[in-house]
Amino acid sequence: SQTIHQWPATLVQPVGSPLSLECTVEGTSNPNLYWYRQAAGRGLQLLFYSVGIGQISSEVPQNLSASRPQDRQFILSSKKLLLSDSGFYLCAWSYGENQPQHFGDGTRLSIL
Amino acid sequence: EDQVTQSPEALRLQEGESSSLNCSYTVSGLRGLFWYRQDPGKGPEFLFTLYSAGEEKEKERLKATLTKKESFLHITAPKPEDSATYLCAVQADYGGSQGNLIFGKGTKLSVKP
Repeated sequence: SQTIHQWPATLVQPVGSPLSLECTVEGTSNPNLYWYRQAAGRGLQLLFYSVGIGQISSEVPQNLSASRPQDRQFILSSKKLLLSDSGFYLCAWSYGENQPQHFGDGTRLSIL
Repeated sequence: EDQVTQSPEALRLQEGESSSLNCSYTVSGLRGLFWYRQDPGKGPEFLFTLYSAGEEKEKERLKATLTKKESFLHITAPKPEDSATYLCAVQADYGGSQGNLIFGKGTKLSVKP
């Protein structure tokens, strides 16, 4: 069966510090991968998606970037965190278009 | 603008009291509608996919239905363990969108024993 792992589960970072969140998927190959942010009182917002190694599409301009160095690894990064980057970050995978996305348990990021 | 609206924002039920959650959407072309359950501090858990008007899916006490403008998640004789936030998401036909979903803000369901 397929599983998705995200770490860390919680993270507290000072403003201006770098960020690296990692997501890995097991039990499938060549999945579509997604990064979302969920802010309190708002719906999930798609940040990035990837259909293959090295292929990244960004949905919104922001302080964050994403990379996919391996087939089942998706990384969310920032060089300098802003207060507005606080939130709940979720990684998801799917078999492709029209298929349901399956989510990890997220990373709660707090910026001080 | 494509939009997904869920109502009510919060719903409190007594155990055994059946009800429905609504998800209304406006998209240029619907590829699919997805229902998820989210527990506090966790990622959303996939429940159902609906692709065309008239389609219905069931799982235990949950039944999802779809029309051309909205979807309903019916909860029959709910139990306290059904308490969670239920999210609705639609996939629009943008051509090459690679499965991008538009999420509603969710309905927080509380079931009291």
